[in-house]
Amino acid sequence: LAKTTQPISMDSYEGQEVNITCSHNNIATNDYITWYQQFPSQGPRFIIQGYKTKVTNEVASLFIPADRKSSTLSLPRVSLSDTAVYYCLLSGYSTLTFGKGTMLLVSP
Amino acid sequence: GAVVSQHPSRVICKSGTSVKIECRSLDFQATTMFWYRQFPKKSLMLMATSNEGSKATYEQGVEKDKFLINHASLTLSTLTVTSAHPEDSSFYICSARDGSQETQYFGPGTRLLVL
Repeated sequence: LAKTTQPISMDSYEGQEVNITCSHNNIATNDYITWYQQFPSQGPRFIIQGYKTKVTNEVASLFIPADRKSSTLSLPRVSLSDTAVYYCLLSGYSTLTFGKGTMLLVSP
Repeated sequence: GAVVSQHPSRVICKSGTSVKIECRSLDFQATTMFWYRQFPKKSLMLMATSNEGSKATYEQGVEKDKFLINHASLTLSTLTVTSAHPEDSSFYICSARDGSQETQYFGPGTRLLVL
């Protein structure tokens, strides 16, 4: 059973780069790593997905080391509106289990 | 991008009644849809996985007769909370997996309040 572990909370300031790491020691060979953002009373919003190495899109980058036992979501130049809970999720043939997520608080 | 809708967005019902929540994938076909439940300040808890045309697979501790799931087409899954009680009050979220990739897209959620 693949399980993910993230820091419970992180604090940052506007304009800074934020890196959130997720540990997944038991990731399966065919699992993809997906990160979501959730605001209160809303469904999670897809941010980025990867399998290995580095993936970048218009909002974030995802770094995955060769052993794939962890992944790091990088948010460049965060703003106040990035205050939310961030989840990493393994998808594939593993049972889908959301971790507790990371509450990111961005201050002025 | 892929869009998933849910209806209704919020519902209030009396104890003992049944409530149906619809989940639709609007611009892609979803062979697999998932239903989650989320309590305040808690993470999402997977309730069941539904595959189009077959019976849903329920997670341990989730009563299949209480939470009826139907996935009759590649774009629609429904969750019916039968004989709802106040403890069923929660935020219910569905997601749909695009079969061409391993990505789940989530609906906006349905807030259920049972009085």
